[in-house]
Amino acid sequence: NAGVTQTPKFRVLKTGQSMTLLCAQDMNHEYMYWYRQDPGMGLRLIHYSVGEGTTAKGEVPDGYNVSRLKKQNFLLGLESAAPSQTSVYFCASSYSFGFEQYFGPGTRLTVT
Amino acid sequence: GEDVEQSLFLSVREGDSSVINCTYTDSSSTYLYWYKQEPGAGLQLLTYIFSNMDMKQDQRLTVLLNKKDKHLSLRIADTQTGDSAIYFCAESIRLDGTSGTYKYIFGTGTRLKVLA
Repeated sequence: NAGVTQTPKFRVLKTGQSMTLLCAQDMNHEYMYWYRQDPGMGLRLIHYSVGEGTTAKGEVPDGYNVSRLKKQNFLLGLESAAPSQTSVYFCASSYSFGFEQYFGPGTRLTVT
Repeated sequence: GEDVEQSLFLSVREGDSSVINCTYTDSSSTYLYWYKQEPGAGLQLLTYIFSNMDMKQDQRLTVLLNKKDKHLSLRIADTQTGDSAIYFCAESIRLDGTSGTYKYIFGTGTRLKVLA
């Protein structure tokens, strides 16, 4: 039982490049989330999903897109990376809203 | 608006008790959580408390909730060097009673340093 996994763990992009971050969970959770963590700002929700085939915007969705084609996977895409997207990205999942969230180990992204 | 505030740093000596404090603004919280983040890792849930409870104890951890003052605290008894980490307070707020939509709000984290 791996819990929540994220790939890659580290990535460096040039401004304007695109990439996809993958999140996978093996707990059969319906709800999945993408957060970014910046110094002194805690975690901010980018997008979330309440089930396969659904996505919704969080607090800071601009510049990101997501897809949930399979229940166990939640993908975060950056179409044209900007230096302001340099951050640590965390994926999380939960059984339902309001229940505790389980977090992945994070992806450290640097955009130069 | 909703906000969760924590102090940024706390330093204690090994064996002492640590108390990490958190204040929140939204009184419609349903659950309040404490997460621990070690260097280079994701957040790990330590404990949580329902908003209708005052206290919860789990081994070395004691959570106190003062709903009147909107104040949450985490006490770690007999603090060890392995407890050094960043501790996040978080709350879940029900946004829509019919759809069951919630929102999670995280504090900025308190960095606990345990001195040997």
